[in-house]
Amino acid sequence: GAVVSQHPSRVICKSGTSVKIECRSLDFQATTMFWYRQFPKQSLMLMATSNEGSKATYEQGVEKDKFLINHASLTLSTLTVTSAHPEDSSFYICSARGGGSQPQHFGDGTRLSIL
Amino acid sequence: DAKTTQPTSMDCAEGRAANLPCNHSTISGNEYVYWYRQIHSQGPQYIIHGLKNNETNEMASLIITEDRKSSTLILPHATLRDTAVYYCIVADRGSTLGRLYFGRGTQLTVWP
Repeated sequence: GAVVSQHPSRVICKSGTSVKIECRSLDFQATTMFWYRQFPKQSLMLMATSNEGSKATYEQGVEKDKFLINHASLTLSTLTVTSAHPEDSSFYICSARGGGSQPQHFGDGTRLSIL
Repeated sequence: DAKTTQPTSMDCAEGRAANLPCNHSTISGNEYVYWYRQIHSQGPQYIIHGLKNNETNEMASLIITEDRKSSTLILPHATLRDTAVYYCIVADRGSTLGRLYFGRGTQLTVWP
């Protein structure tokens, strides 16, 4: 149980393109979803927290207009990297958490490469 | 900011127990200790978590000291597939909605 699916697993696109990444909880309802970014040889950095039906809460230094998060249902959250540039190239990972005492479960990540 | 301190790297022979320490001296009363691991180029995998009692599941055991200032993750019979970066994280599941702030973790290498 507690499976989180992330799609796509890899994206390569031109500078200026907007890219959407989907995160789905397959076998549980996720009251809260999280988005992380990880640069090579570094740890995961929390970008934002989202609850279904409400606006995401962004960590300090993360541009909310650059990284649009939508949490439309209890099983789906999307991250859109708008007008992506090479410096946005990174490994983006989502996680989802059910209610109560449930821990976060992570997707397998999306490797984004902006040319 | 990460509130834990872990060794940068550890080695373990296959079949032996791997004991990964973690210091969290500033942990507060409502914060849990979580352990995750990340195999290269994959998302982190949940291992175990606890508040103050020792915990065991099919993957590992978590030993938390009585003062809760440190803990140890035990993989009883390490295999080559346990080679990964192991993260110890303290988090409050209440007001912060369970946000996890990752430190650098411990790179565990299991040798044949």
